[in-house]
Amino acid sequence: EILLTQSPATLSASPGERATLSCRASQSITINLAWYQHKPGQAPRLLMFDASTRATGIPARFSGSGSGTDFTLSISSLQSEDFAVYYCHQYHNWPLSFGGGTKVEIK
Amino acid sequence: EGLLLESGGGLVQPGGSLRLSCAASGFTFGNYAMTWVRQAPGKGLEWVSAIDASSRSTFFADSVKGRFTIARDNSKNTLYLQMNSLRAEDTALYYCAKQYINAWYGDLWGPGTLVTV
Repeated sequence: EILLTQSPATLSASPGERATLSCRASQSITINLAWYQHKPGQAPRLLMFDASTRATGIPARFSGSGSGTDFTLSISSLQSEDFAVYYCHQYHNWPLSFGGGTKVEIK
Repeated sequence: EGLLLESGGGLVQPGGSLRLSCAASGFTFGNYAMTWVRQAPGKGLEWVSAIDASSRSTFFADSVKGRFTIARDNSKNTLYLQMNSLRAEDTALYYCAKQYINAWYGDLWGPGTLVTV
């Protein structure tokens, strides 16, 4: 089973700041990684797939990078609607798995 | 783009059973694989089960293997999760998700249905 470790667990930042979230896999998953945004009371929203491809309708301030075991989701300038929990998700091997999440909160 | 709506959640005693449903609309349901993902109170997302578009292949997390089954009825545009031998640790909000074509990540999710054991 592939374990995904996200860091930090909580990121405190102000609107307009850059946020950098990390996801590390326990073994290589090539680029088979997705990122989701999850707000309380809402369904998760796909942000990124194949590590660096933005999903339909996702603003350009979101970017993804990485391959193998180390991945990053960056938000170039935080907007009020970006404060949420972010999860990485590997689909390289069964069983599929999610990271523990990073909560991006207002500083 | 489509909609998904889960139903069938509720309060059940340990050892009991529930069947969740996920009704799909607005896309050709039979063309897409589907998954179930859950979120326990105060916890993160946990993948539970997956089924391909034709029902030929099904997959399960170790935590539910042997207790849960997944099925779909493409004529009714509906996905199911049969949950048996339920445990307190199965308490969670259960989401269904449509998978991107020929891939195993979800591009459309429902609002979830709550299961309390």
